[in-house]
Amino acid sequence: AQRVTQPEKLLSVFKGAPVELKCNYSYSGSPELFWYVQYSRQRLQLLLRHISRESIKGFTADLNKGETSFHLKKPFAQEEDSAMYYCALGNTGTASKLTFGTGTRLQVTL
Amino acid sequence: GAGVSQTPSNKVTEKGKYVELRCDPISGHTALYWYRQSLGQGPEFLIYFQGTGAADDSGLPNDRFFAVRPEGSVSTLKIQRTERGDSAVYLCASSPASGGKNEQFFGPGTRLTVL
Repeated sequence: AQRVTQPEKLLSVFKGAPVELKCNYSYSGSPELFWYVQYSRQRLQLLLRHISRESIKGFTADLNKGETSFHLKKPFAQEEDSAMYYCALGNTGTASKLTFGTGTRLQVTL
Repeated sequence: GAGVSQTPSNKVTEKGKYVELRCDPISGHTALYWYRQSLGQGPEFLIYFQGTGAADDSGLPNDRFFAVRPEGSVSTLKIQRTERGDSAVYLCASSPASGGKNEQFFGPGTRLTVL
């Protein structure tokens, strides 16, 4: 069975501080990992995916298959980063459903 | 172009009633997904369409839930004999094709409240 764990419901950091949102997954096949973000009063949108290996809005995430983790990181938090972040797991089979974690609310304060 | 749209944005109904939730995907997107998000939880997969057919309905909780996509575009999620536990935000998403590598574009959701 697929499972995604985000251990923190809330992460509060000061502006300019580093951010790390944790995500661990359980999956027997070859995983596709994503981070989705939901800003206040907006719809869920893709932030980044592991296959792209890119940095979006200063965020990066590296897939660590040994630790089954896909933590989201940013060196210097900005106020506009405050949002709800969801880690999601897809598979490379014919089914395309995403399995989401419970989400972490990032709060960036001055 | 327009994104995924869902109607209604809010639906309040009484226990035992029947409801229909509509999703208009992005034009040209062949894959369409329904998820349900309860308070404090992440979205939970319900059903996925590739074209007109349901490719995976393993997430539907029971036979009170049914979804259709008769022309391969608009989809309707139907819930019979609603229960208070059905209260949640129902999300629809579409993607250009199937496969985990394709980004899913989400709609704003329909908030269903069963009294």
